[in-house]
Amino acid sequence: KQEVTQIPAALSVPEGENLVLNCSFTDSAIYNLQWFRQDPGKGLTSLLLIQSSQREQTSGRLNASLDKSSGRSTLYIAASQPGDSATYLCAIQTGANNLFFGTGTRLTVIP
Amino acid sequence: NAGVTQTPKFRVLKTGQSMTLLCAQDMNHEYMYWYRQDPGMGLRLIHYSVGEGTTAKGEVPDGYNVSRLKKQNFLLGLESAAPSQTSVYFCASSYSSGDGNQPQHFGDGTRLSIL
Repeated sequence: KQEVTQIPAALSVPEGENLVLNCSFTDSAIYNLQWFRQDPGKGLTSLLLIQSSQREQTSGRLNASLDKSSGRSTLYIAASQPGDSATYLCAIQTGANNLFFGTGTRLTVIP
Repeated sequence: NAGVTQTPKFRVLKTGQSMTLLCAQDMNHEYMYWYRQDPGMGLRLIHYSVGEGTTAKGEVPDGYNVSRLKKQNFLLGLESAAPSQTSVYFCASSYSSGDGNQPQHFGDGTRLSIL
């Protein structure tokens, strides 16, 4: 079974700082890796999806990388803003319908 | 465009009671999913459906049943609720694709407490 780990569990940074969130997984046989954002009391919003054959994806201030050989992914957030405060979840898709989630990193951006 | 809508948003049940959670999507997605989210654990897949009239078990299916009578709706049932089923339940949907590379769209969740 795929195990997904996210470290740290929580992170606080001052506004404007660049930051990196980490995700590691145990089985490199994946369809894709996805990063989600979850706001308190809300559902998940898909941020980026990196297919197995890709190395990175970018959307605005967000950049996600994938290294299957080492079982690692990073989510880079540039010039952080208070509105970026949320929990960020990493998920690995190993089959058409198998999505394994990490427990998330709770990010607080301090104005 | 509503996306994925879950009903109800909150519910408190007594042990042994039954209830049905409703998920509706208006994006014409083939695939639909039910997850539960518990503190300290990632989301875990309960059941899923790849099309109208089809359902399949996920990682933690025990104690739950599902039905997909219409393409836009996916129902999750608890026949005899237990305290261990206290959780936040999320529904998601996605387009189908041969390579599985379609993002899932999530509802806002149902917070269920079993006393």
